[in-house]
Amino acid sequence: SQQGEEDPQALSIQEGENATMNCSYKTSINNLQWYRQNSGRGLVHLILIRSNEREKHSGRLRVTLDTSKKSSSLLITASRAADTASYFCATAGGGDMRFGAGTRLTVKP
Amino acid sequence: GAVVSQHPSWVICKSGTSVKIECRSLDFQATTMFWYRQFPKQSLMLMATSNEGSKATYEQGVEKDKFLINHASLTLSTLTVTSAHPEDSSFYICSAYTPGSRTDTQYFGPGTRLTVL
Repeated sequence: SQQGEEDPQALSIQEGENATMNCSYKTSINNLQWYRQNSGRGLVHLILIRSNEREKHSGRLRVTLDTSKKSSSLLITASRAADTASYFCATAGGGDMRFGAGTRLTVKP
Repeated sequence: GAVVSQHPSWVICKSGTSVKIECRSLDFQATTMFWYRQFPKQSLMLMATSNEGSKATYEQGVEKDKFLINHASLTLSTLTVTSAHPEDSSFYICSAYTPGSRTDTQYFGPGTRLTVL
């Protein structure tokens, strides 16, 4: 079964704008990870944030984690058309990983 | 980084036939491999957890007699879709994981697209 929900389910923005996606989960976790998937392709690991971390940066990506609210957000700054993809959060605890439903991001040039 | 491969990358088969998908960890040993299924425009759904040398653990609703999993070595797990039907058409993704590693990161294969005619 899926662990959580992403919102929005779909997001369409113009190139250069920021994109924010949210993820909520249900159980306790060791870490939370964000993945990207281009249509019909495999997963690309973006960033991992541990349960004792609150914020993490990687290039144009910023991830926050609020374990009290069981939620995380992914911010992509200065978006590019090449960022168009589906983005999934996945929670891990004891080796088991569960994926959220995903957000389909479209960045218009 | 760790590399996981899947073979084949895509397969088309006739209804009623069986299809085997391989998942290999190329540069590390994986005691645990996971199999996921993804339908179009949906998320990944965990099908089963495969531990080397033991029987796989299937998620609720996944038929173990239909989706046969073998994890005979620390670098190879196979998923066999038996008597495939059109509703089994999906994108199958495996991942590899070693408990006790510094992170809980799973390393994902590129996926196998199965189309059953």
